[in-house]
Amino acid sequence: GENVEQHPSTLSVQEGDSAVIKCTYSDSASNYFPWYKQELGKRPQLIIDIRSNVGEKKDQRIAVTLNKTAKHFSLHITETQPEDSAVYFCAASLPTGGFKTIFGAGTRLFVKA
Amino acid sequence: EADIYQTPRYLVIGTGKKITLECSQTMGHDKMYWYQQDPGMELHLIHYSYGVNSTEKGDLSSESTVSRIRTEHFPLTLESARPSHTSQYLCASAQGGGSPLHFGNGTRLTVT
Repeated sequence: GENVEQHPSTLSVQEGDSAVIKCTYSDSASNYFPWYKQELGKRPQLIIDIRSNVGEKKDQRIAVTLNKTAKHFSLHITETQPEDSAVYFCAASLPTGGFKTIFGAGTRLFVKA
Repeated sequence: EADIYQTPRYLVIGTGKKITLECSQTMGHDKMYWYQQDPGMELHLIHYSYGVNSTEKGDLSSESTVSRIRTEHFPLTLESARPSHTSQYLCASAQGGGSPLHFGNGTRLTVT
């Protein structure tokens, strides 16, 4: 079955610096890769997503890149702010078997003011 | 307002009890999911459904069951609760293939 690995598990950056989180997936049939942000005590919320026919997508300070050949995708946050502090999850969705969605283990991002 | 609702928000029960966690969505989504998550930790897929009368098992499904009789409703049942079931349970739904998941606020379960 699909397996998603996410690194690092914890990331601490200074306000204004960039943060990069990396994920790899195992099943080449996965074709949809969303990223979620979860603040303390709240539900995960989608921040950006990318489909397998696209290599890069950007939304203001957030960007995601996808390398299908290597089966990895990354989240890039530029000009980080304290409110970016949260747990970030990557996920991969398989189109077969009902669009099973598997999550990475999460990255806890701390942005120091 | 179209959303996904979970009840109860908090539940404390004794070992061996049978419980059902409720999840309903008013967005007309075909796909629904149950995840188990300890606070801030990994989300483990328990069950998912891609439509009425269709359910599939995830990685942690062996101690629970689900049903999908109506599009909007996807309850999760633990036949005999154990302390190892203490966790947060998140329900989610999605419009279709390759669509983002919308999560409910979760049920925090404590089994004593």
